[in-house]
Amino acid sequence: NAGVTQTPKFQVLKTGQSMTLQCAQDMNHEYMSWYRQDPGMGLRLIHYSVGAGITDQGEVPNGYNVSRSTTEDFPLRLLSAAPSQTSVYFCASRRLAGGRGKETQYFGPGTRLLVL
Amino acid sequence: AQSVSQHNHHVILSEAASLELGCNYSYGGTVNLFWYVQYPGQHLQLLLKYFSGDPLVKGIKGFEAEFIKSKFSFNLRKPSVQWSDTAEYFCAVNAKTSGTYKYIFGTGTRLKVLA
Repeated sequence: NAGVTQTPKFQVLKTGQSMTLQCAQDMNHEYMSWYRQDPGMGLRLIHYSVGAGITDQGEVPNGYNVSRSTTEDFPLRLLSAAPSQTSVYFCASRRLAGGRGKETQYFGPGTRLLVL
Repeated sequence: AQSVSQHNHHVILSEAASLELGCNYSYGGTVNLFWYVQYPGQHLQLLLKYFSGDPLVKGIKGFEAEFIKSKFSFNLRKPSVQWSDTAEYFCAVNAKTSGTYKYIFGTGTRLKVLA
C-alpha cells in the first residue's frame, strides 16, 4: 500500500512551458485534491474531485486544469507556466462517503516547482 | 466564508519548554477539527483530530488539543517539547460548504526547538 504518490519530486520550467504533475492513490479514495503551499499562506486548495469524471475548483484554480478519468489518478496540468506558480504542490486523498467530514486526509510527498 | 486563523507564525522554544499553538476558526455549523504536522522535507501527516465528545483530545507524540466551542478555538499543546518537534503545524477545519465537505487549512506555525 503506497498511499499517495506524486511525480516528479522537483521540476524547473521556463515561463510559458506546460507540464503535468502526476498524482496517484491506491486506497480507493473517492475524494482527491491539489493544494499549493506558499510561505506564510499555508495550503490553498487548487482543484478537487469527488469521484471519477467529477472535478471542481478550489480557492486558487486559475492557471491549472485537472481531470479525473479513474479513481486512482488525478493529474494537475499547467498549460502555460508563470513565475507566480512557483510553489510546492501537494496532492491529497480521503474517503468521502458516509464519513460526514471525519475523514483523515492523506498527503503525497509534494512536488517542488520552480518557474523561471 | 469559513476560515482558520493561526496567529503564531513562528515560535522558537528551548527543549523541555511547554508549547501552545493557537487556532481559531470561523464557521457556525458542526465542524471537524484537525492538526497536521509537516516535518522538514516531509509531507503533512495527521497529529490529532476532534469530532465530538471529550473536548480534550490526545494525539501522537504527546500532543493534545482542546476544543473550546464558545471561543471557536482548537489550540494545540505539549507539556515538554523536544528538538524532534521542530516542524510546521497546520490547523484545519473540515466542514460542509455548498453540499461538500471541504478542508480549510490555517497558514501554519513554524516551530523551532533549540537543543
